[in-house]
Amino acid sequence: EPEVTQTPSHQVTQMGQEVILRCVPISNHLYFYWYRQILGQKVEFLVSFYNNEISEKSEIFDDQFSVERPDGSNFTLKIRSTKLEDSAMYFCASSEQGPTNEKLFFGSGTQLSVL
Amino acid sequence: GENVGLHLPTLSVQEGDNSIINCAYSNSASDYFIWYKQESGKGPQFIIDIRSNMDKRQGQRVTVLLNKTVKHLSLQIAATQPGDSAVYFCAEDNNNDMRFGAGTRLTVKP
Repeated sequence: EPEVTQTPSHQVTQMGQEVILRCVPISNHLYFYWYRQILGQKVEFLVSFYNNEISEKSEIFDDQFSVERPDGSNFTLKIRSTKLEDSAMYFCASSEQGPTNEKLFFGSGTQLSVL
Repeated sequence: GENVGLHLPTLSVQEGDNSIINCAYSNSASDYFIWYKQESGKGPQFIIDIRSNMDKRQGQRVTVLLNKTVKHLSLQIAATQPGDSAVYFCAEDNNNDMRFGAGTRLTVKP
């Protein structure tokens, strides 16, 4: 069964450093998403992406965040200057069509620890 | 503001019993809802969905009920098994992004 894959599974970084989280969505899916989950809390929407541009973004997704689809298979989330509060599990997801009335398929996540 | 939330943060049931997990939502314009299961260290996994033109939908051992009058969603798991132990999230389609509730941890006792 096709799945969303994320790398790395764990990322440790120093505060102020840049990190790039990588995702390979399901191949025939057209919409891509990033969510995050701070330990013990709910899953929070960050951004959705379609046709090489951001469709929606939340208030969490500020200027420190960016997304990119550098090639036909990868979808990345960059945090330019990490803060302690960026420590969370980051989930990539994809859907075949848009988010409206479509289920999302999630990867297993990247645990980001900012020290 | 509009949000999705859960009535109970934890639920403990005996193996073989039925489980009911509840969710309240406040966005009356939402027309699509999903239940996700999240096991430890994994991403959310789709369980079942329901559109607002339906009141009930059944899957394998799971049933979702939607009460639009009181903006309430529930997930029923029949004959709960140890493998059902996880955190369950309801999510609603909110203006083209999926918003999650806080989650309920289900623990199945042998």
